[in-house]
Amino acid sequence: DIQMTQSPSSLSASVGDRVTISCRASQSISNYLNWYQQKPGKAPKLLIYITSSLQSGVPSRFSGSGSGTDFTLTISSLQPEDFATYYCQQSYSSPPTFGQGTNLEIK
Amino acid sequence: EVQLLESGGGLVQPGGSLRLSCAASGFAFSSYAMTWVRQAPGKGLEWVSGISSSGGIPYYADSVKGRFTISRDNAKNMLYLQMNSLRAEDTAVYYCAKDIGRGMVEILDYWGQGILVTVSA
Repeated sequence: DIQMTQSPSSLSASVGDRVTISCRASQSISNYLNWYQQKPGKAPKLLIYITSSLQSGVPSRFSGSGSGTDFTLTISSLQPEDFATYYCQQSYSSPPTFGQGTNLEIK
Repeated sequence: EVQLLESGGGLVQPGGSLRLSCAASGFAFSSYAMTWVRQAPGKGLEWVSGISSSGGIPYYADSVKGRFTISRDNAKNMLYLQMNSLRAEDTAVYYCAKDIGRGMVEILDYWGQGILVTVSA
């Protein structure tokens, strides 16, 4: 199975900050990398798919980049509603696997 | 509006069985692959099983292979997960999720609210 490793595991930031979350795959996954946001007690929500495609309805302050094994989720200017846990997921090969999550907290 | 509503969870003893259901609405259910993902308390997301739009060859995580069976009824817009020989480590919130594609693309664009399964004596 492909292992997905996110860094950092937790992050404190302030409203208005630019934030970057990294995700590394244990082998090349081309661009088959997706990002989800999960708030406490809620289901995950798809933010970005295939590395950089923004899901419908997701604000443009979210962006993704990368290829091969190294990927990044960037939030350009944090808003109060962005404090949540973020997961990367590879859809390159079965079984699809998730990173361990990055908990984004208010500083 | 896409809606996915899970049911059938609860408390079960180790070795017992449960059948989860997911009622889908607001989209052409028979045109999309579907997936079950679980999340143990305080932990991350784990893919459990997936099935193509036609209900063809299903896929399972090694951790549930031989114990869980995924199925779907496209006439009723329903997805199921039959869980047998349950173990304590199966305790989790189970989500059903819609795939973005007809086959197993495994990009999950809509999720249900989740249903808790607790395996304990």
